[in-house]
Amino acid sequence: GQQLNQSPQSMFIQEGEDVSMNCTSSSIFNTWLWYKQDPGEGPVLLIALYKAGELTSNGRLTAQFGITRKDSFLNISASIPSDVGIYFCAGQLTGANSKLTFGKGITLSVRP
Amino acid sequence: DVKVTQSSRYLVKRTGEKVFLECVQDMDHENMFWYRQDPGLGLRLIYFSYDVKMKEKGDIPEGYSVSREKKERFSLILESASTNQTSMYLCASSQNRVWSQPQHFGDGTRLSIL
Repeated sequence: GQQLNQSPQSMFIQEGEDVSMNCTSSSIFNTWLWYKQDPGEGPVLLIALYKAGELTSNGRLTAQFGITRKDSFLNISASIPSDVGIYFCAGQLTGANSKLTFGKGITLSVRP
Repeated sequence: DVKVTQSSRYLVKRTGEKVFLECVQDMDHENMFWYRQDPGLGLRLIYFSYDVKMKEKGDIPEGYSVSREKKERFSLILESASTNQTSMYLCASSQNRVWSQPQHFGDGTRLSIL
């Protein structure tokens, strides 16, 4: 099946730094979702975006739904050690059986 | 908060065994999903269900079946387990098939087939 493009596979940053991740697709989506997965746990929903151009924040996290509806961005500001994990993006088409198309995820490491 | 509960965090089974993975959600969601997660391959959809007794194949249904006898419970069955089914299995649920509501995941079952 189709997958979204997330790169690089891994990112290494210093505690306190900001980090930005993006997710791109060749297809249009109506909904963009960002999940975080801690080691040994299931993915947890961070932010959901429902409208092109929408900018939504959740604490230190900010995500945007791209104007073209083919991409989305997640920014983490002032990173802390507990930000370590895998960040997945997912796209969804309204009524498309509610199925999600996932990126492969970016593994974030934060150096103290 | 949505709660999706998977019956086991870790499971070890032998080749050829019939394996049942159970998932329960407490939010009266219509949709339920089973994924497997493997390094470098990301999340892959095995089966999903919109309603009781309804099921649809995902991207990799071979070697698996599912059962949804009650709305809150969705079971994944490995008919005859093989070593290539060693993986992390994730269950998810979402509200309904009409609105684009996010999927919520359980904590996963790490299954090893020996």
